[in-house]
Amino acid sequence: EPEVTQTPSHQVTQMGQEVILRCVPISNHLYFYWYRQILGQKVEFLVSFYNNEISEKSEIFDDQFSVERPDGSNFTLKIRSTKLEDSAMYFCASSQGFDQPQHFGDGTRLSIL
Amino acid sequence: GQNIDQPTEMTATEGAIVQINCTYQTSGFNGLFWYQQHAGEAPTFLSYNVLDGLEEKGRFSSFLSRSKGYSYLLLKELQMKDSASYLCAVRDLLDTGRRALTFGSGTRLQVQP
Repeated sequence: EPEVTQTPSHQVTQMGQEVILRCVPISNHLYFYWYRQILGQKVEFLVSFYNNEISEKSEIFDDQFSVERPDGSNFTLKIRSTKLEDSAMYFCASSQGFDQPQHFGDGTRLSIL
Repeated sequence: GQNIDQPTEMTATEGAIVQINCTYQTSGFNGLFWYQQHAGEAPTFLSYNVLDGLEEKGRFSSFLSRSKGYSYLLLKELQMKDSASYLCAVRDLLDTGRRALTFGSGTRLQVQP
């Protein structure tokens, strides 16, 4: 069964450094999403992406965050200058249509030191 | 905004039936999803309701009442592997075209022998 893949599984970064999280959505899906989950807390929406542009973003997704689809398969989340509070599990998801279920990748655990 | 409530924890016995409730308040309801999340893993899609009524999928069923802002997930013939968090997530469809999910805090289900 096709799945969303994310790399790396764990990223450790010094505060203030830039980090790029990578995702390969399911190939015939058109909608892409990033969520984060701080340890012990709920899953929180960050951003959705369709037709090569951001379609929706939350209050969390400030100027430090950006997303890109650099080619036909990858979807990336960049955090420009990481803060301690960015430590979380970051999940990528994709869906075939906006009304279809979103399928999640296994996540990248980001640890900011 | 949205407000999603579900019990924090539940305990049930192997082989039994358990019902996990979710109530929500939202301004432009466009679907309710249930996800299963084992500790340290990604959410896995279980079910989707957009119209009132019961959706059955093997041992799992989900019910929706839009007028009451209420859903439940029913798990039958419980197995030890069903011990996980169950996340209720609601999608709004506003004028902005928001298509992202807002997650509840999840219900941690412990299945006992």
